[in-house]
Amino acid sequence: QKEVEQDPGPLSVPEGAIVSLNCTYSNSAFQYFMWYRQYSRKGPELLMYTYSSGNKEDGRFTAQVDKSSKYISLFIRDSQPSDSATYLCAMTLNNNDMRFGAGTRLTVKP
Amino acid sequence: SAVISQKPSRDICQRGTSLTIQCQVDSQVTMMFWYRQQPGQSLTLIATANQGSEATYESGFVIDKFPISRPNLTFSTLTVSNMSPEDSSIYLCSAAHSANYGYTFGSGTRLTVV
Repeated sequence: QKEVEQDPGPLSVPEGAIVSLNCTYSNSAFQYFMWYRQYSRKGPELLMYTYSSGNKEDGRFTAQVDKSSKYISLFIRDSQPSDSATYLCAMTLNNNDMRFGAGTRLTVKP
Repeated sequence: SAVISQKPSRDICQRGTSLTIQCQVDSQVTMMFWYRQQPGQSLTLIATANQGSEATYESGFVIDKFPISRPNLTFSTLTVSNMSPEDSSIYLCSAAHSANYGYTFGSGTRLTVV
């Protein structure tokens, strides 16, 4: 079993749709949870991070962490073609040992 | 957050040769990391590079194959030595944010070994 599981997709949605991206993990010691966005031929960029359980909202993006279920989600509202990218979840105990999911490739069609 | 300049962005190399990848950070960072990313796959940590000490390598990666330098708090290099086609991949450097958790990444080096 991988430490972090993420469905690689691909996921294709029409513009304006709500997108739900998810990861599960096995290590209950993880405390910090992140989502990165990676455009083609670019390095990942940090999109959101959350400490422990709970929700965090930033514009059209909402990150949710459920530590009891070892499950994290990223929701994108009113999705735009510019959101088309690969989204990687990541988590760590102390920022020294980041573990990444495989990434979900998202396409938002106009 | 920090900005990382990574070069070269891509290269095609002959087997048996070596390539050095450079990363320059626009601010001082304590920890830098080197990752490998196969197309469509996740990031695999190669090693952690701290200034003033030997790099720490993950299982499956050795210093003779991937020597790393970290001469100061803004710069690091990764060398891919004695390359074979299996080394063809995207190599990424990253730095830990000082203000919060998470990493900043360079734009990656796309390496093809022929």
